[in-house]
Amino acid sequence: GAGVSQSPSNKVTEKGKDVELRCDPISGHTALYWYRQSLGQGLEFLIYFQGNSAPDKSGLPSDRFSAERTGGSVSTLTIQRTQQEDSAVYLCASSLDGTGSYNEQFFGPGTRLTVL
Amino acid sequence: ILNVEQSPQSLHVQEGDSTNFTCSFPSSNFYALHWYRWETAKSPEALFVMTLNGDEKKKGRISATLNTKEGYSYLYIKGSQPEDSATYLCAPILTGGGNKLTFGTGTQLKVEL
Repeated sequence: GAGVSQSPSNKVTEKGKDVELRCDPISGHTALYWYRQSLGQGLEFLIYFQGNSAPDKSGLPSDRFSAERTGGSVSTLTIQRTQQEDSAVYLCASSLDGTGSYNEQFFGPGTRLTVL
Repeated sequence: ILNVEQSPQSLHVQEGDSTNFTCSFPSSNFYALHWYRWETAKSPEALFVMTLNGDEKKKGRISATLNTKEGYSYLYIKGSQPEDSATYLCAPILTGGGNKLTFGTGTQLKVEL
């Protein structure tokens, strides 16, 4: 079946512009996660959605970052007034049910964001 | 902040060699540990989810063990092949920490012919 998809695969933007990154999780997966990997760094958690519960936003690095998940499916990560330090690969993952923590997360191919 | 350490940072082995690497994490409030493999230009792929002290899991030539009392997990690869070249990531989950994965910086494995 179809895996997690993300778009765009690459995004180059100028400092100060807003960007939107999209994630389509696996159908039926109730949990959705955003992570990023900056150059030379490990994978960093950003935000987690579980069903209709309020999202866990504890990993968002600043108030320029926000995310929403519409209809319990597609998610959009928005970065406002991008800075060069926002350059990273942004990964989305989904899992069948986030409540057990035993469920493996299935990752998308990522969006490589470059802020000039 | 959850401190997750992986060692070594990188490893070069010859085809056929067996190898292992370590993931260290806080032993208190342990809930589960995930291992992922991340090949260049691909998405991270789950290898194992481990929960019980003394757990041992195996997938083909790859196996992992878990010691929750002392806070470490070993990943073993027997008879390494070039296709095993990847970054291997571990991510523990602690009780009360939600379901977000806190990844270590990974062990980058390169298997040469």
